[in-house]
Amino acid sequence: NAGVTQTPKFQVLKTGQSMTLQCAQDMNHEYMSWYRQDPGMGLRLIHYSVGAGITDQGEVPNGYNVSRSTTEDFPLRLLSAAPSQTSVYFCASSYTPTSGSVNEQFFGPGTRLTVL
Amino acid sequence: AQSVTQLGSHVSVSEGALVLLRCNYSSSVPPYLFWYVQYPNQGLQLLLKYTSAATLVKGINGFEAEFKKSETSFHLTKPSAHMSDAAEYFCAVTRNSGNTPLVFGKGTRLSVIA
Repeated sequence: NAGVTQTPKFQVLKTGQSMTLQCAQDMNHEYMSWYRQDPGMGLRLIHYSVGAGITDQGEVPNGYNVSRSTTEDFPLRLLSAAPSQTSVYFCASSYTPTSGSVNEQFFGPGTRLTVL
Repeated sequence: AQSVTQLGSHVSVSEGALVLLRCNYSSSVPPYLFWYVQYPNQGLQLLLKYTSAATLVKGINGFEAEFKKSETSFHLTKPSAHMSDAAEYFCAVTRNSGNTPLVFGKGTRLSVIA
């Protein structure tokens, strides 16, 4: 298994440009999520999905769109990039646990995005 | 709302010394708690998780954490630090079982001095 993969690893954008960060997992996990990591801020949830066709907003969703058409893929779209979106982005996934339990989330290696 | 507070953004210990990283949680219901580690330029890796089965939880690489409800704490410890333990450590909480979002603390960077 490749686990959770993210592309690209690095990206530089100009203000106003759009792009899609790709995330894929080959573990048949139902749950997927996107976080951004900024110095001194920890990880903050952008969007998440509990299954194909279902998405919901996290703590910092503004400026980002997601969709979940398949179990494997969960792309994150920046519609009009802003310097405030300069960050490291992590995708994570997990499988549905047994009743009354909770499972770990598996993280991808991250995408480092700079918006000029 | 669930939240965690990690005391100390940077902790420095000597090789062989005790590692203690502090995490306090805020939760209106019994929480599920996690510790993750992030090595430089990598994603996060699970160290251990608390799911109410036992208050003392053992994880990978010799780390353990103790859930103390009276203190609303879930501190991470390791008896003897190794140079390879240098990394950033995150405490996280979720209130529900099943697939629910994690809320992360701001992280503690651990430095190990030879």
